Amino acid sequence: SQQGEEDPQALSIQEGENATMNCSYKTSINNLQWYRQNSGRGLVHLILIRSNEREKHSGRLRVTLDTSKKSSSLLITASRAADTASYFCVSAGNKLTFGGGTRVLVKP
Amino acid sequence: DVKVTQSSRYLVKRTGEKVFLECVQDMDHENMFWYRQDPGLGLRLIYFSYDVKMKEKGDIPEGYSVSREKKERFSLILESASTNQTSMYLCASAIGGLVREKLFFGSGTQLSVL
Repeated sequence: SQQGEEDPQALSIQEGENATMNCSYKTSINNLQWYRQNSGRGLVHLILIRSNEREKHSGRLRVTLDTSKKSSSLLITASRAADTASYFCVSAGNKLTFGGGTRVLVKP
Repeated sequence: DVKVTQSSRYLVKRTGEKVFLECVQDMDHENMFWYRQDPGLGLRLIYFSYDVKMKEKGDIPEGYSVSREKKERFSLILESASTNQTSMYLCASAIGGLVREKLFFGSGTQLSVL
């Protein structure tokens, strides 16, 4: 069963809009990572936030982490059609635990 | 850029066949992983290796074995393929250490067992 939970499971937005997805985890972590997966391909690392950080930015990506709530969010600003993909959070504690993923569709 | 190469993009095998999935990384990473990805079940760890000839079972090792004779190569073996092993198989590598900070994934092998 999945230990990490992501919501929403699917998201459909127009190009230029922001996309926000959330992730919850169950155990204490050292860091939390977000990955993107284009259809039928491998995962690509996007960003990592450490347990002592609350917010991190990378280009159009913004990640927040709330360790008291065991949750994280990923915001993609000014989305593009090329952002269409599945996004996974991965909590890194004693082991890596993958969330179920959020499928994002950006319509041109 | 780190490259993780999986030998086949698509593979079709028959029930009972022995299947080898090969993965090669070019960044001298100590850690290598095999995952399978199924709709609704996400990514599940089959095996991982933290050094040459070392291996650890993941969450779903049954029906699989692995081999790591060289640092750059990590092979997944299905001793006797079954239809429930039809899946997307993903190999990944990461720098050594207890804390995993960044996984590099291959493009995946879609295996169909008929």
